[in-house]
Amino acid sequence: DIQMTQSPSSLSASVGDRVIITCRASQSINTDLNWYQQRPGKPPKLLIYAASSLQSGVPSRFSGSGSGTDFTLTISSLQPEDFATYYCQQTYSTLLTFGGGTSMEIK
Amino acid sequence: QVQLVQSGAEVKKSGASVKISCKASGYSFTMYYIHWVRQAPGQGLEWMGIINPDGGSTDFLQKFQGRVTLTRDRSTSTVYMELSSLRSDDTAVYYCTRDRDGSYTFDSWGQGTLVTVSS
Repeated sequence: DIQMTQSPSSLSASVGDRVIITCRASQSINTDLNWYQQRPGKPPKLLIYAASSLQSGVPSRFSGSGSGTDFTLTISSLQPEDFATYYCQQTYSTLLTFGGGTSMEIK
Repeated sequence: QVQLVQSGAEVKKSGASVKISCKASGYSFTMYYIHWVRQAPGQGLEWMGIINPDGGSTDFLQKFQGRVTLTRDRSTSTVYMELSSLRSDDTAVYYCTRDRDGSYTFDSWGQGTLVTVSS
């Protein structure tokens, strides 16, 4: 299995902050990496696919980058609705795996 | 708009089975794979399996082989997930989700179905 490791596992930030979440794969996955946002009690929502492509309807303050084993999700200026949990997911192997999540709270 | 609507919460005894439905609307049902993902309370996401609504072929995470059955009804655009021999660690929210383009990228999700397994 490909292991996905996210860091940090939690963070506190303020509205307007720039935030970077990282995801590391246990082997190279090219750019087969997606990012999801999950608010409490809701299903996940696709933000970024193929490492850097913005899903339709997602605000441009979200961006993704990386290839191989190291990836980042950047939120350029946090908004109140962005406080949620974020997951990365590799699609390189059909044995799909997710990162453990990064929980973001308001400072 | 694309919608996946799941059946309601279930409470089951250990050893029983549960069958959850996922009704799709707003798109051509047979053109997109459907996956199932679960989330134990306070935990992360775990992929379970996939069904091709066109031909009905399926694939599963090995840990679920023999316990999970995925079926579909093309006449009602509904996918079903049945999990048998339930254990307490099967307590989770179960989501159906649509694969946007066969890349195992999930662009639409059901609202989730909580399955609680009690002894």
